[in-house]
Amino acid sequence: EAAVTQSPRSKVAVTGGKVTLSCHQTNNHDYMYWYRQDTGHGLRLIHYSYVADSTEKGDIPDGYKASRPSQENFSLILELASLSQTAVYFCASSWDREGERLFFGHGTKLSVL
Amino acid sequence: SQWGEENLQALSIQEGEDVTMNCSYKTYTTVVHWYRQDSGRGPALIILIRSNEREKRSGRLRATLDTSSQSSSLSITAAQCEDTAVYFCATDPLSGSFNKLTFGAGTRLAVCP
Repeated sequence: EAAVTQSPRSKVAVTGGKVTLSCHQTNNHDYMYWYRQDTGHGLRLIHYSYVADSTEKGDIPDGYKASRPSQENFSLILELASLSQTAVYFCASSWDREGERLFFGHGTKLSVL
Repeated sequence: SQWGEENLQALSIQEGEDVTMNCSYKTYTTVVHWYRQDSGRGPALIILIRSNEREKRSGRLRATLDTSSQSSSLSITAAQCEDTAVYFCATDPLSGSFNKLTFGAGTRLAVCP
C-alpha cells in the first residue's frame, strides 16, 4: 500500500511565526500536492510539484511557499503564519498519469493563535 | 467556482437503507473521482468514473456520470454503520497531462444512531 507520511500531526503556532509542514512519500510517485481543508468544506489545492526542485502554484497559494528537495519529500512553509491559516493540511501523491488516484497522508492540524 | 453545491451537505440514514449522493460541476472533466474521508484521516479513493462510462460499480457502490448535465452521483446499497464518513467528488478540470483535482464540499453521511 502506498504511504504518505506527514509531520507533525498537529501544531500550534503563533501569529507571525514561521511554520514548516513536512511530507514524505515512499510511493515513487512523481506528483505531490498540498491541500487545505477548512471545517465543513472540501479540499483546496495550495501548491503541487511534478518533479524535484520545482513547485507550482495551486488555487490558493497566497501566504504559502513550497519546497520539493527530492522526489520523496515535499514541504509547505508559512513564513508569517496568520489566524486565517488555521486549518487541516493534507499532503498527497500520485502517478504521472491522467486521472490517477491521489494517496493522502493523515493530515496536519494547524492552529494559529 | 467548480461546484454547484458549495457547502457540506449532511445525510442521516438507517442501516440497510440505500443512499445516493450527488454532485454537479461547472467545468469539463474527463474523470470524476469519489473519495471517502473517515474522521481524523485523509481522503481515500473509493471509485473513479471516466467520461466514456455512464456507470461504474464496485461492491455496494455505484457511480454514475452524466457529461451532458455535468453531474455525477454515488450510491451505496444497503448502507452499514461503517459507511459513516464524508464523501467527496473531485474532478480534473484541466484534463491535461497531470492531476490537479478540484474537490467539492462533500456530503457527511451518518449511518446508525
